[in-house]
Amino acid sequence: DTEVTQTPKHLVMGMTNKKSLKCEQHMGHRAMYWYKQKAKKPPELMFVYSYEKLSINESVPSRFSPECPNSSLLNLHLHALQPEDSALYLCASSQGPGGPREPQHFGDGTRLSIL
Amino acid sequence: RKEVEQDPGPFNVPEGATVAFNCTYSNSASQSFFWYRQDCRKEPKLLMSVYSSGNEDGRFTAQLNRASQYISLLIRDSKLSDSATYLCVVDGGATNKLIFGTGTLLAVQP
Repeated sequence: DTEVTQTPKHLVMGMTNKKSLKCEQHMGHRAMYWYKQKAKKPPELMFVYSYEKLSINESVPSRFSPECPNSSLLNLHLHALQPEDSALYLCASSQGPGGPREPQHFGDGTRLSIL
Repeated sequence: RKEVEQDPGPFNVPEGATVAFNCTYSNSASQSFFWYRQDCRKEPKLLMSVYSSGNEDGRFTAQLNRASQYISLLIRDSKLSDSATYLCVVDGGATNKLIFGTGTLLAVQP
């Protein structure tokens, strides 16, 4: 069982819809991440939160809006997505202040389909 | 040149075989190295961190050669359940990110 929990597991939405992806961890980790993964490709980093502050935005389009309400929760708000945004969205967490020295632990992802 | 390069495979091996994966990285400032495994349509899971002195966890052995900027993973006595994609992951040095290789697909045959 993963210690990083993501909901929903699957999401189908239209291009005009607004939805949110949720991620929760209770390991006391202080860094949390959003990744996007297309089939047969490695995960691509989208955002990094360190101590609840956004520290990295990998030039992600504004139709993706991250939010970190507290140290255990990470949201990704979606609005006006495009079909090419269909992918597996992975949340991860790591112990430290967002540095890459320690491994990241992944949730089992939200499989997103845009109609 | 890609930051982290892996042979994509697939590696098709019989049960019980020994198989080795290699990975090279381009950033000499990288300090942390990991192997993850990812099953089809699942999340990446940490297999092991890679230390300078090399490290072993059961049937899995990881090696690091900093001079050649090369990492390896050896799997002994392959099991059917070892079938997965193995991702070589390296820290981006000053970029404060993890850099993923494209992964090597392993298929263990009965």
